[in-house]
Amino acid sequence: GAVVSQHPSWVICKSGTSVKIECRSLDFQATTMFWYRQFPKQSLMLMATSNEGSKATYEQGVEKDKFLINHASLTLSTLTVTSAHPEDSSFYICSAGQGKGGYTFGSGTRLTVV
Amino acid sequence: GESVGLHLPTLSVQEGDNSIINCAYSNSASDYFIWYKQESGKGPQFIIDIRSNMDKRQGQRVTVLLNKTVKHLSLQIAATQPGDSAVYFCAENTDKLIFGTGTRLQVFP
Repeated sequence: GAVVSQHPSWVICKSGTSVKIECRSLDFQATTMFWYRQFPKQSLMLMATSNEGSKATYEQGVEKDKFLINHASLTLSTLTVTSAHPEDSSFYICSAGQGKGGYTFGSGTRLTVV
Repeated sequence: GESVGLHLPTLSVQEGDNSIINCAYSNSASDYFIWYKQESGKGPQFIIDIRSNMDKRQGQRVTVLLNKTVKHLSLQIAATQPGDSAVYFCAENTDKLIFGTGTRLQVFP
């Protein structure tokens, strides 16, 4: 079946530094990938839609200069949290579209900013 | 507007009983709905889906019901097991997947 690998699974960084999270589709090509953020005991909130070869589409209220998304190939999308602050600490999850409405999710990245 | 999650209701059921998890969606244009199971610290796992031209779909131990008139979905889990304990989300799809509030299912012996 379709597999999406997300790396790292957890990361701790200092305030002011940047963190990059990778999302790879291992056995299929994904022209569209999605990035979500999930705070404790809450739902997944869509941050942005990542499109291969073009600029990402950000949801309202998500700072595109803070959450940089790159989708340079059909199997890799990256999310970089720039100048991270403690309030950016969250669970970040990616998903890859398989066409016909199917989605496969990564295992998530727990980001803690100290 | 789009459904957003601000709290997590809990459903507690006894092992062996049936569970019914409900979800309301907001976008009348949504034509595809998916139920996901999320265990702690993991990404969502696909359970079952349904398209808007159907009102019921069955899988193994799970059934999804769709009522487009009132924009309501339900997930029924038969003979609930301890391994079913998790948070369950419905998601509606137009050109992107939007998640509902979620329900925590707790199964006790």
